[in-house]
Amino acid sequence: GESVGLHLPTLSVQEGDNSIINCAYSNSASDYFIWYKQESGKGPQFIIDIRSNMDKRQGQRVTVLLNKTVKHLSLQIAATQPGDSAVYFCAEIDSGGSYIPTFGRGTSLIVHP
Amino acid sequence: NAGVTQTPKFQVLKTGQSMTLQCAQDMNHEYMSWYRQDPGMGLRLIHYSVGAGITDQGEVPNGYNVSRSTTEDFPLRLLSAAPSQTSVYFCASRAPLRGGPSSGNTIYFGEGSWLTVV
Repeated sequence: GESVGLHLPTLSVQEGDNSIINCAYSNSASDYFIWYKQESGKGPQFIIDIRSNMDKRQGQRVTVLLNKTVKHLSLQIAATQPGDSAVYFCAEIDSGGSYIPTFGRGTSLIVHP
Repeated sequence: NAGVTQTPKFQVLKTGQSMTLQCAQDMNHEYMSWYRQDPGMGLRLIHYSVGAGITDQGEVPNGYNVSRSTTEDFPLRLLSAAPSQTSVYFCASRAPLRGGPSSGNTIYFGEGSWLTVV
């Protein structure tokens, strides 16, 4: 079946650096994508989303890029802080289909002070 | 606004016992779902509901039952707990997808229920 996967299970960065977390998706019908942050012992929290009619969307210190040609999604975090340390998930949804999101396994971001 | 509330936070069960994980949301969301999260496995869908009175199976439904008698509540029942059901369980809800990107279209998760079956 279709799946969402992350390229790197762990990403270590220095405080102040920019972080880039990648995600590959395989369902070409997916038209809505979400990034979540999950801190230890907590539920996933919404970070930013993007629809397939856009290729870039910016939030506060975060930017999501969508490349539909290669089915690739990325989350960029500017000036990474220790509080950004968490597991980050991407999710894809086919809004013309079941609306059920498919989640990747997650990337663990470790920020060193 | 409490969002998605799950209880209990932690539970230890003996093999063969039954229990219910409670989930409630106060956002009038039609879509609710239950996931389990195991190390290295990500979030796997157990059951979901698109509205009161409607439920359907997800990826890993065996050993679990759900019901949706109200919009607000979506309890998950373990019929006869097994060690393989040791996991972290998350309830999530969402309004129907409409319009452009908006936090109103996204999925909100509860804080999780840590279940250990011994």
